[in-house]
Amino acid sequence: GQQLNQSPQSMFIQEGEDVSMNCTSSSIFNTWLWYKQDPGEGPVLLIALYKAGELTSNGRLTAQFGITRKDSFLNISASIPSDVGIYFCAGQGGSEKLVFGKGTKLTVNP
Amino acid sequence: DAGITQSPRYKITETGRQVTLACHQTWNHNNMFWYRQDLGHGLRLIHYSYGVQDTNKGEVSDGYSVSRSNTEDLPLTLESAASSQTSVYFCASSPGQYNSPLHFGNGTRLTVT
Repeated sequence: GQQLNQSPQSMFIQEGEDVSMNCTSSSIFNTWLWYKQDPGEGPVLLIALYKAGELTSNGRLTAQFGITRKDSFLNISASIPSDVGIYFCAGQGGSEKLVFGKGTKLTVNP
Repeated sequence: DAGITQSPRYKITETGRQVTLACHQTWNHNNMFWYRQDLGHGLRLIHYSYGVQDTNKGEVSDGYSVSRSNTEDLPLTLESAASSQTSVYFCASSPGQYNSPLHFGNGTRLTVT
């Protein structure tokens, strides 16, 4: 089946630093999505990307849909303590199903 | 945001018992999904439905079943619970338009003893 490789698995950063994480796949996707999960809650959609090469921002978050349609990255600028959580990438191919990466656990030290 | 509700939030059951986890959404979404989340595996798809009376197997469907008798609900049943099914279960829904993002519930933590 389709698999996504998400890296890094975890990050420990200081408040104010920028963060970058990415996902790669051997398969082509039509949509890339980035979710954040807080402890004890379900994943919440941060950014959705629908076109190859698309660059989209949501506040301090920026994500890009790779030109090859096989990768995507998420950047967080000027991190704050509430950015702590697990970030998941997800890809959609020709169906409504999502394939998820295994997540990047972000820790922000004040 | 009460658009998708899972119940119970926590459940402890014994091996061999039948367990049903509820998922209810008020968005009138056509698509509904069940995922399980385990350390080291991320989110894995169990079953999904594209509409009433439609159900499909995901990548880890063995030991689970679903039914879709109306738009709002997709209950997940563990026919005979096993310790390997101890996990956090998430329900999600989407409108059914092409490549529409999924919206998740807050999960059910199931422990099988």
